[in-house]
Amino acid sequence: GQNIDQPTEMTATEGAIVQINCTYQTSGFNGLFWYQQHAGEAPTFLSYNVLDGLEEKGRFSSFLSRSKGYSYLLLKELQMKDSASYLCAVTTYNTDKLIFGTGTRLQVFP
Amino acid sequence: EAQVTQNPRYLITVTGKKLTVTCSQNMNHEYMSWYRQDPGLGLRQIYYSMNVEVTDKGDVPEGYKVSRKEKRNFPLILESPSPNQTSLYFCASSLVGDGLQETQYFGPGTRLLVL
Repeated sequence: GQNIDQPTEMTATEGAIVQINCTYQTSGFNGLFWYQQHAGEAPTFLSYNVLDGLEEKGRFSSFLSRSKGYSYLLLKELQMKDSASYLCAVTTYNTDKLIFGTGTRLQVFP
Repeated sequence: EAQVTQNPRYLITVTGKKLTVTCSQNMNHEYMSWYRQDPGLGLRQIYYSMNVEVTDKGDVPEGYKVSRKEKRNFPLILESPSPNQTSLYFCASSLVGDGLQETQYFGPGTRLLVL
């Protein structure tokens, strides 16, 4: 079966760094997406990792270890507008589905 | 502007009254999908379509129907809605590269309440 785990909630302070972890157990793993979703709004694409390693995009970076079934999203220089849910999702070779974790709700405090 | 649109954005209905939520994309994407999002359960896929006239069940297809007669449209049909279908619904689309889907773009969501 498919299983994706993320922490339910996290808090952090403005200007700090936060790491949101995602572990997965899937057969035929292909790649992993991170999406950001503000309350009541649509998810928006942040990153896509297929190969092992770190990919950096401005304040956001995403890491993947295929052998460990593990990914993290790193947010630097946190801003109040980063308060949102962060969704981890995986794609597999053997289905055409995008399978989502339940998301991590991040609250950034001043 | 490249986008996925859904209508209606909000809908209150009663048990058993058939309804359709429309979804349209202007990016010439092959792949389209419907999700429902419920507290504590995350996004769950209802149906998806890899191309015109090709549809498949996702993880929670019971009580829903879809059709893909044109590339840009992918309506979600609830033939006899029930209160457990009260949810936030998202349509999404993406290109398909090397047989695998790429980044999905989401519509703004449809909030449905079934009384």
